[in-house]
Amino acid sequence: DIVMTQSPDSLAVSLGERATISCKSSQSVLSSSNNKNYLAWYQQTPGQPPKLLIYWASTRESGVPDRFSGSGSGTDFTLTISSLQAEDVAVYYCQHYYGAPYTFGQGTKLEIK
Amino acid sequence: QVHLVESGGGVVQPGRSLRLSCAASGFTFSSYAMHWVRQAPGKGLEWVAVISYDGSSEYYAASAKGRFTISRDNSKNTVFLQMNSLRPEDTAVYYCARAGGQHWLGGLFDFWGQGALVTVSS
Repeated sequence: DIVMTQSPDSLAVSLGERATISCKSSQSVLSSSNNKNYLAWYQQTPGQPPKLLIYWASTRESGVPDRFSGSGSGTDFTLTISSLQAEDVAVYYCQHYYGAPYTFGQGTKLEIK
Repeated sequence: QVHLVESGGGVVQPGRSLRLSCAASGFTFSSYAMHWVRQAPGKGLEWVAVISYDGSSEYYAASAKGRFTISRDNSKNTVFLQMNSLRPEDTAVYYCARAGGQHWLGGLFDFWGQGALVTVSS
């Protein structure tokens, strides 16, 4: 199984500042057949189900603000929030969908400093 | 708009069974694979199972294989998760989620339900 590891486990950032979350996979999730990274990011606010933010490592889901961006390839990925807003307080998960079983990172809790 | 509503959760004793349902609306249900993902209290997310859009293929996490069965009824726009031989470690909120692409078995989850809480306790 592919193990997904996020860092840090928690992060406190001031409003308007940049937040960066790292995700590493234990093996590459880049497909040689279509040159796509099978990596997604989700946001989960308290008491709510997860919400898809980013897929194919860098494609923003419809309706997601452009302050959210994803980057990386192979085994190393990053979620960046360019200017933190109060509504961004949440737990963020990376997840691979390279093949079953589909595994998630342990989550990164983002708070306001 | 896409709407997924889980039901059937509750408190059950270890070793007993429970069946979850997820009613879908707002999209062509029969064109999408459907997943179950769970989250133990205060913990992270764990994928459980997937069923293809036509019900011909199913895949399970190791923790679910042999005990859980995913199925669907496309005439009723509903996906099910039959859970047998339940254990305390199965205690979690169970979410159904839609696969992010038509006729695709992939594990990208583009819409999620609100979840159903299953508590396994004596």
